[in-house]
Amino acid sequence: KNEVEQSPQNLTAQEGEFITINCSYSVGISALHWLQQHPGGGIVSLFMLSSGKKKHGRLIATINIQEKHSSLHITASHPRDSAVYICAVSKNSGGSNYKLTFGKGTLLTVNP
Amino acid sequence: DTGVSQNPRHKITKRGQNVTFRCDPISEHNRLYWYRQTLGQGPEFLTYFQNEAQLEKSRLLSDRFSAERPKGSFSTLEIQRTEQGDSAMYLCASSSPQGGNQPQHFGDGTRLSIL
Repeated sequence: KNEVEQSPQNLTAQEGEFITINCSYSVGISALHWLQQHPGGGIVSLFMLSSGKKKHGRLIATINIQEKHSSLHITASHPRDSAVYICAVSKNSGGSNYKLTFGKGTLLTVNP
Repeated sequence: DTGVSQNPRHKITKRGQNVTFRCDPISEHNRLYWYRQTLGQGPEFLTYFQNEAQLEKSRLLSDRFSAERPKGSFSTLEIQRTEQGDSAMYLCASSSPQGGNQPQHFGDGTRLSIL
């Protein structure tokens, strides 16, 4: 079983819809990260959180440490939000090493 | 902040050849990570540097793989005697030395295709 599981694997939405992507993890973590990857490879860090909730524009990320679960929400979705959204966790491997363990990603397509 | 730069963006080579990739992290970042991503999968950790010291290597990093960061700035990842299974996107990320856990900044990756 992977340490980080995401659902759904694929998600298609109409422009304007509210979107939720879920992430569950099975290990102790230092922080949870939500990342966005567009076709062509580049990865952008959206959020890093270890408790509670963070908001940036139309994106909201929440985490429940006790349940080992996080959600990424997108309000008023737009076609430019179409991308792969990846959940990752960082654990302290000793010293300054906070290597990431990634989920497989959720492919989001927002249709106009 | 010029971001993390990786070169080349694409590399196509024949099986058995050696390849080398370069990563230039954000200048003040002393932490540098290499990850590998195959099609349809999330990235996987390969190795970690703090300054010039390679502090962790994944078991995915076979003896055909070597990474260096000689002056604690740019890093190189070399694959010797490439195999079909090495075809993947190789991603580099760096993070700030300040405090503990910091967000990682990724380059655009080097896509390796083995013929």
